[in-house]
Amino acid sequence: TQLLEQSPQFLSIQEGENLTVYCNSSSVFSSLQWYRQEPGEGPVLLVTVVTGGEVKKLKRLTFQFGDARKDSSLHITAAQPGDTGLYLCAGARGNNRLAFGKGNQVVVIP
Amino acid sequence: NAGVTQTPKFQVLKTGQSMTLQCAQDMNHEYMSWYRQDPGMGLRLIHYSVGAGITDQGEVPNGYNVSRSTTEDFPLRLLSAAPSQTSVYFCASSYRDMNTEAFFGQGTRLTVV
Repeated sequence: TQLLEQSPQFLSIQEGENLTVYCNSSSVFSSLQWYRQEPGEGPVLLVTVVTGGEVKKLKRLTFQFGDARKDSSLHITAAQPGDTGLYLCAGARGNNRLAFGKGNQVVVIP
Repeated sequence: NAGVTQTPKFQVLKTGQSMTLQCAQDMNHEYMSWYRQDPGMGLRLIHYSVGAGITDQGEVPNGYNVSRSTTEDFPLRLLSAAPSQTSVYFCASSYRDMNTEAFFGQGTRLTVV
């Protein structure tokens, strides 16, 4: 059973369009992290959200943590080809374990 | 700083062979972990360590051993390789615990034939 469900699994959009991907769970997390992974590389952290309802912005990327700390969303405004990648959400339960979703594969077409 | 270094980058093993995947970090991080990444399965935690001398199992520990004799190194041992262990393996480290940023190595692509 997957602890974190990410949707959609695959998304292809044109450059300049907006997109939103989701990370959902029935469990409560002490924090939730978003990573981006490119082919042949390890994941790289984009943001960590800790407080329910928290919104963080990273240039054109907006991350939101659900009020109940069970889900999160990532919104990209005016997507660019450089945004192409696998977006992974990861939830921390207590201090010792980080559980990952399967990822949202985003392709931005020039 | 090199960050998290994994060796080798690629490896082919025959069924039944053993090997050790190396992981070293130079950031003085307490927490280290090993994941495997398979198509359609995401990243799954194999083993983790909260400090030198302390290790614990993750969600898919069978067939793997770890030890943590120093803060810097966290090797992953495959005792008797099986085709089901064909995967990409990532080592990660964090300063204190998994609520802090995880730094990943570049991965080891392992094929068991």
